Amino acid sequence: DAGVIQSPRHEVTEMGQEVTLRCKPISGHNSLFWYRQTMMRGLELLIYFNNNVPIDDSGMPEDRFSAKMPNASFSTLKIQPSEPRDSAVYFCASSLAQGSQAFFGQGTRLTVV
Amino acid sequence: KNEVEQSPQNLTAQEGEFITINCSYSVGISALHWLQQHPGGGIVSLFMLSSGKKKHGRLIATINIQEKHSSLHITASHPRDSAVYICAVVHNAGNMLTFGGGTRLMVKP
Repeated sequence: DAGVIQSPRHEVTEMGQEVTLRCKPISGHNSLFWYRQTMMRGLELLIYFNNNVPIDDSGMPEDRFSAKMPNASFSTLKIQPSEPRDSAVYFCASSLAQGSQAFFGQGTRLTVV
Repeated sequence: KNEVEQSPQNLTAQEGEFITINCSYSVGISALHWLQQHPGGGIVSLFMLSSGKKKHGRLIATINIQEKHSSLHITASHPRDSAVYICAVVHNAGNMLTFGGGTRLMVKP
């Protein structure tokens, strides 16, 4: 298996634009997580899905952030409109089940100018 | 006070030394993860623990649920172990993850 695949690897966008980050979990994994990493706040869990259903989105910072998982093999994290303070590395991870070991994607480095 | 505290924040060691990184937490947890973040930014999950001890190669992770403490040990450290090591706890309530601030390890040849 190729592991968790995220795209794009790097994204530079202007403030106010919509940004969509994509994640393909490992096949057969039932749980998917979105994280954000910044120098100031470290790693933060934004949202996680179990069997394609959002279980806890209390880590999502604002209404500008939304995440979807239309099927077991794909998830998106959307920021609309983007702001400079959203600049961070966004990681996606998947695991076989809730509470089991998670496997991380390589991350998407987002820069909002 | 943060729910998850790691120590030390930074650690420099000579190749071959035995290394210990500590993680203390203040909430009830169902499991604890140790993650490794390489200088290039990628994150690898090293261990997930709910009790006792796990070993993988030169890495050993232990957890004491009563004392709310976990340690990550690296035996015979090597420069390629240089990375940031992050502790993350899974809350009993809601399965939320809280991360420690990370320990930046540099192993010199």
